[in-house]
Amino acid sequence: QSVLTQPPSASGTPGQRVIISCSGSSSNIGRDTVNWYQQLPGTAPKLLIYSNNQRPSGVPDRFSGSKAGTSASLAISGLQSEDEADYYCAAWDGSLNGWVFGGGTKLTVL
Amino acid sequence: QVQLQQSGPGLVKPSQTLSLTCAISGDSVSSNSAAWNWIRQSPSRGLEWLGRTYYRSKWYTYYALSVKSRITINADTSKNQFSLQLNSVTPEDTAVYYCARGPSALNPWGQGTLVTVSS
Repeated sequence: QSVLTQPPSASGTPGQRVIISCSGSSSNIGRDTVNWYQQLPGTAPKLLIYSNNQRPSGVPDRFSGSKAGTSASLAISGLQSEDEADYYCAAWDGSLNGWVFGGGTKLTVL
Repeated sequence: QVQLQQSGPGLVKPSQTLSLTCAISGDSVSSNSAAWNWIRQSPSRGLEWLGRTYYRSKWYTYYALSVKSRITINADTSKNQFSLQLNSVTPEDTAVYYCARGPSALNPWGQGTLVTVSS
């Protein structure tokens, strides 16, 4: 059971906009920023969004993040086939004194 | 850019010690702005943070409660790397183990090492 809650799956057709949610608590998302990671099959997670809504260099602006209270969301617009991957949210938990993750959302591009 | 290269055995016997190393290029293990983490991933437990070490005039090391009694993370400044030791492993410790650079976001990650605990 992951500390952060994500839907296990999401899907969309090419060109659509998809939103993935992430729910936490006052000890993690409620007190610190949220990061999002993309994991392609057989590879290590890659940082996609940091500090709630910042994109590392090289990440397309189709990817965006937001946070409100103890929840966060990742939006992917202009969906492409190469976006098919697992997406994870993460935040620092002040009570556990460590990183906590969501269970991951498997995105399928139909 | 920073790159992390993991090494270590992929098979460990139950009750023995799992040992992995993460070699750093493009940064220093004793950097005053970095933190060096170990994370594992398994189908049953998902992504699980195990611990981290960092240098701020002295070394600090923190571990997840779930493994605190069995884990050691060390930094080796002479080789610019850090390591993970997990004692008394059981089949439940079978996972892909990753190292990653922090502190405010985990980036980048090492390539991952599948460690299977089996006799």
